[in-house]
Amino acid sequence: NAGVTQTPKFQVLKTGQSMTLQCAQDMNHNSMYWYRQDPGMGLRLIYYSASEGTTDKGEVPNGYNVSRLNKREFSLRLESAAPSQTSVYFCASSGEGLRGQPQHFGDGTRLSIL
Amino acid sequence: SQKIEQNSEALNIQEGKTATLTCNYTNYSPAYLQWYRQDPGRGPVFLLLIRENEKEKRKERLKVTFDTTLKQSLFHITASQPADSATYLCALENYGGSQGNLIFGKGTKLSVKP
Repeated sequence: NAGVTQTPKFQVLKTGQSMTLQCAQDMNHNSMYWYRQDPGMGLRLIYYSASEGTTDKGEVPNGYNVSRLNKREFSLRLESAAPSQTSVYFCASSGEGLRGQPQHFGDGTRLSIL
Repeated sequence: SQKIEQNSEALNIQEGKTATLTCNYTNYSPAYLQWYRQDPGRGPVFLLLIRENEKEKRKERLKVTFDTTLKQSLFHITASQPADSATYLCALENYGGSQGNLIFGKGTKLSVKP
């Protein structure tokens, strides 16, 4: 049982390049999330998808787009990468029920933008 | 303004002692509060969830308390071991927010010395 799988694990980009971070979960969860984690800032929500076919902005959505491709997959795209987007990106999912559900995280994508 | 604060960035204790981590919040009305463990280079892992109408929750050596009057949750690890060394994150699910979305504290790094 893989849980939440993120690819790639590491990436270095140049300013202005584009990139898509991939996330897949095998737990049949409805909700999926993208976070970024920066030193001293904690985890901040970028976008989330409460169910297949829906996406909504979180706390820090600027510079990002997302696609909920199907129930399993939720991708995060940087159209024109900026150094301020250097961070560790985590994808998470949570199961049935409206509230009080734990989130299951992948091991992150470490992204550096030069 | 709304804040969720984990009072210590780092906590060092001796093996066998009880570690107590604090999470305080301001201007939130949490329906649930969760605690996660994060090891270096890994994603957060869910540990415990406590509801607003629960005072205490236990799981093996872990105990969480939730005081909505003090706006505080305490996380205890009894008989601590070096393997408990990690960063611990608290997260709350706010009544006013989107269902299932979590707001994370910045974490407390716990070091247990043998």
